[in-house]
Amino acid sequence: EPEVTQTPSHQVTQMGQEVILRCVPISNHLYFYWYRQILGQKVEFLVSFYNNEISEKSEIFDDQFSVERPDGSNFTLKIRSTKLEDSAMYFCASSYRANTEAFFGQGTRLTVV
Amino acid sequence: DQQVKQNSPSLSVQEGRISILNCDYTNSMFDYFLWYKKYPAEGPTFLISISSIKDKNEDGRFTVFLNKSAKHLSLHIVPSQPGDSAVYFCAASEWDQTGANNLFFGTGTRLTVIP
Repeated sequence: EPEVTQTPSHQVTQMGQEVILRCVPISNHLYFYWYRQILGQKVEFLVSFYNNEISEKSEIFDDQFSVERPDGSNFTLKIRSTKLEDSAMYFCASSYRANTEAFFGQGTRLTVV
Repeated sequence: DQQVKQNSPSLSVQEGRISILNCDYTNSMFDYFLWYKKYPAEGPTFLISISSIKDKNEDGRFTVFLNKSAKHLSLHIVPSQPGDSAVYFCAASEWDQTGANNLFFGTGTRLTVIP
């Protein structure tokens, strides 16, 4: 069964460093998303991406964050100058078309020290 | 800003009985609702969804009910099985201009099915 894959599963980085979280969405999906879950809190929407551009972003997704689809398969989230409060599970998701369920990857646990 | 609320952080049910998980929302623009199941250290797994034009959707042991006037939805699992033990998240979405479904999640309900 097709699935969303994320790498790495766990990333430890020093505060102030840049990190890139990688995702391979399901191949025929058109919509791509990033979510995050800070430990003990709810899953929060970060950004949606369609037709090679951001379609919507939340207040969390400030200038520190960027997304890119560098080729036909990968979808990346870049966090510049990481802060301690960026420590969270980051989930990538994709959906085939509008108003259909999103399928989530296993997540990347980001720890900023 | 709690647009989607799950007021019961946990629920315990005997195997074979019905599990009812509840969810409330505040944004009347939400038009698509989903339930996800999540195990520790894994991503949310889609279970079942319902659009705002329906009031019930059934898939095997899982049924979702939507009451738009009360801004309330519920997930019924019957019969409950030990393998159903997990955290269940309610999510709601509002289309953006591209049709993307940006999900707003509740805080989750931990279901424990007792053998």
